[in-house]
Amino acid sequence: DIQMTQSPSSLSASVGDRVTITCRASQSISSYLNWYQQKPGKAPKLLIYAASSLQSGVPSRFSGSGSGTDFTLTISSLQPEDFATYYCQQSYSTLGYTFGQGTKLEIK
Amino acid sequence: QVQLQESGPGLVKPSETLSLTCTVSGGSISSYYWSWIRQPAGKGLEWIGRIYTSGSTNYNPSLKSRVTMSVDTSKNQFSLKLSSVTAADTAVYYCARANWGFDYWGQGTLVTVSS
Repeated sequence: DIQMTQSPSSLSASVGDRVTITCRASQSISSYLNWYQQKPGKAPKLLIYAASSLQSGVPSRFSGSGSGTDFTLTISSLQPEDFATYYCQQSYSTLGYTFGQGTKLEIK
Repeated sequence: QVQLQESGPGLVKPSETLSLTCTVSGGSISSYYWSWIRQPAGKGLEWIGRIYTSGSTNYNPSLKSRVTMSVDTSKNQFSLKLSSVTAADTAVYYCARANWGFDYWGQGTLVTVSS
């Protein structure tokens, strides 16, 4: 199955900072990569699909890029409501829609 | 606005079968894939499997021998059965629509495996 590795596992940042989270696939997944935000006690929320497409209603400070095996999620200017855990997920292989292990974004 | 709601027992005994249903409202269940995803407390997300409205399924290889999914289009529902559960199956279980990514999610339901 396809393994997804996110880095870093945790990150401290301040309001207004630019933040980048990376996700690496164990094999090429073309652009079949999605990003989610999860807050405590809540279901994940889709932010980015197909590597770089912004889900409807998601602020434009969120962006995604990459293809093949290497992907990034960028938040251009952190807002207080952005402190959460972020997950990448590949939808290339229906043998297993694997998620990354998560990146916890905390306030510095 | 599409909404999903999980329902089922919150407590299941070891070796028994976990059964959950997801009811879809605000839209038709037809012509989409629907998935189950779980999350143990304090841990990451694990995809369990998906079902199309035709009944076609794909399961996580690590759970495949114990998972059965079904769909009832007349009720706008789909279901999960996980057999021979152990404490390791204790988690919040989510249902979700698989579109370009999982774009709609239920609120999640905690299932505890304990005697």
